[in-house]
Amino acid sequence: AQTVTQSQPEMSVQEAETVTLSCTYDTSENNYYLFWYKQPPSRQMILVIRQEAYKQQNATENRFSVNFQKAAKSFSLKISDSQLGDTAMYFCAFKLRQGGSQGNLIFGKGTKLSVKP
Amino acid sequence: DAMVIQNPRYQVTQFGKPVTLSCSQTLNHNVMYWYQQKSSQAPKLLFHYYDKDFNNEADTPDNFQSRRPNTSFCFLDIRSPGLGDAAMYLCATSRDFGGVGPDTQYFGPGTRLTVL
Repeated sequence: AQTVTQSQPEMSVQEAETVTLSCTYDTSENNYYLFWYKQPPSRQMILVIRQEAYKQQNATENRFSVNFQKAAKSFSLKISDSQLGDTAMYFCAFKLRQGGSQGNLIFGKGTKLSVKP
Repeated sequence: DAMVIQNPRYQVTQFGKPVTLSCSQTLNHNVMYWYQQKSSQAPKLLFHYYDKDFNNEADTPDNFQSRRPNTSFCFLDIRSPGLGDAAMYLCATSRDFGGVGPDTQYFGPGTRLTVL
């Protein structure tokens, strides 16, 4: 069975600084996706970034980038130039590249990030 | 803009009184999911529809049912809500490209259910 671990329940960062959220996962499979989702307080869960396991290049979306270390099963999220609007719960998620229940999204427990002015 | 829409955003019901939550999507995705999310926790998958095929998670209580009358709409029925069913209910959709399973899930804004 696949598992996702986010070891930092809460983090804080000063506005304009950089913060890294950690995520590790466990799987014996080779084909999968990894995601970071952001859920602001009382607001919609939105996709931040997506990584396909077969791609060695780390995904980047504007101020958000990942450090994907497949051998170490690590998938950390770096937020550069943090903004107040980045305050949210961040979920790391894993999904096998297959259908059926085996392909369900598996979430970590989340990291609550607070950006301070 | 293509999106996932949930109605209502807030729902209050009484203990034991049936309630229905709705989800619609304009993404034309063939897979739709219902999750339950309690405060400060990760979403928990209740069930999903793969086209018209219903897939229930093993630990989803019988109290929860779902209907998908067409590609665009999906409903969550709670037959006899208990106090423990108070939560945020999230609908999500994804598309299966064929052969490799569904891709990225896109979430609606959620319906917050209060049980009195």
